[in-house]
Amino acid sequence: TQLLEQSPQFLSIQEGENLTVYCNSSSVFSSLQWYRQEPGEGPVLLVTVVTGGEVKKLKRLTFQFGDARKDSSLHITAAQPGDTGLYLCAGTPIGAGGTSYGKLTFGQGTILTVHP
Amino acid sequence: NAGVMQNPRHLVRRRGQEARLRCSPMKGHSHVYWYRQLPEEGLKFMVYLQKENIIDESGMPKERFSAEFPKEGPSILRIQQVVRGDSAAYFCASSPLGLAGVTTDTQYFGPGTRLTVL
Repeated sequence: TQLLEQSPQFLSIQEGENLTVYCNSSSVFSSLQWYRQEPGEGPVLLVTVVTGGEVKKLKRLTFQFGDARKDSSLHITAAQPGDTGLYLCAGTPIGAGGTSYGKLTFGQGTILTVHP
Repeated sequence: NAGVMQNPRHLVRRRGQEARLRCSPMKGHSHVYWYRQLPEEGLKFMVYLQKENIIDESGMPKERFSAEFPKEGPSILRIQQVVRGDSAAYFCASSPLGLAGVTTDTQYFGPGTRLTVL
């Protein structure tokens, strides 16, 4: 069972279209991070969301953390071919014993392809 | 990825040999994490270390794998007697010490070491 469910798994769109990637869980997270990974490289941090209901914007990317801190979304406006890559959400769930810092749980990832 | 250094970037070993993967955290970061990314699978946590201490090794295979983060020098992930199933990308991440000694969740990743076992 995947603790963090990402959807969709694959997304193929044309340049200029908008898209949203979802990251859902039944667990509460102390924070969630979004990363982007290019082939042959490590994940690059895009954003960290900490507060329930928080919205952060990074140019054409908008990140939202759910009010209950169980889910997050990434919205890209007017996608460009340079946005192509693997997008990963990750976080540390809060368990019965409190937050177990350090052990990031990752979603399966969303492979985004933006065609010119 | 800026700041977290991993070497080598690519490592080829024959079955039964040892693999040593090195990681230097970002400047000022005292926490190091190792993750493994198997083909067609997501990133999985292996171990969390601070200087001279293993904090959480719940993701490490029970045999053949070990990790250290000495007082001086890089963190080392060591795989003894490698098997073909160990072929994967191994990523190191680091994070700073947060407020009041609490580790922040935000981790910064290195470029990875791609291990191929022949």
